[in-house]
Amino acid sequence: EVQLVQSGAEVKKPGESLKISCKAYGYNFKIYWIGWVRQTPGKGLEWMGVIYPDDSDIRYSPSFQGHVTISADMSINTAYLEWRSLEAPDTATYYCVRVGRFSSGWSPFDHWGQGTQVTVSS
Amino acid sequence: EIVLTQSPGTLSLSPGDTATLSCRASQSVSFSYLGWYQQKPGQAPRLLIYGATSRATGIPDRFSGSESGTDFTLTITRLEPEDFAVYYCQQYGSSPWTFGQGTKVEIK
Repeated sequence: EVQLVQSGAEVKKPGESLKISCKAYGYNFKIYWIGWVRQTPGKGLEWMGVIYPDDSDIRYSPSFQGHVTISADMSINTAYLEWRSLEAPDTATYYCVRVGRFSSGWSPFDHWGQGTQVTVSS
Repeated sequence: EIVLTQSPGTLSLSPGDTATLSCRASQSVSFSYLGWYQQKPGQAPRLLIYGATSRATGIPDRFSGSESGTDFTLTITRLEPEDFAVYYCQQYGSSPWTFGQGTKVEIK
């Protein structure tokens, strides 16, 4: 059974750094794109970026490029989302997502983690 | 960036009714790369439809998707109590991949 298990909720201050994780189970981690989606009450669901663990090819949404870093460690089947300097608007629920393989091109997100709540407040 | 506009914002229906949800794209969606998700309170979204019309694994056949140009529709026939939720469309044909703002299907 495919599972994406995310790290727990975080409360941080503006300017602090943070790295959240997503451990994958039940499939060949290195050959599926895996990434992150942000959800807020105001902006809804927003795609942030994806990584292909086998060669570390990364695609970022322009809205998030430069503000976050996506990475993956194939040795432990884990993907990461990292901030060097958090801001209050980063307060959100972050979902780890796996890109399906329904065609030779792109596919939607066929598996989601349980979500990690990140709160940034002074 | 492709903007997806979902309508209506809220749909009030009774169990057994048919729900028709709309998702309009601001421009053509490449290869019909349009998906639909269901989200219940406190849960992550769940994939229902991919490629505009194909059901994901384990999704009942009362869920169906269709497309006409830049207009996409999710139809849910014979609404079950567990179908009352928020539904989102997403295009993954052009970067950045984008989501609609959601349609809430609530019990009348």
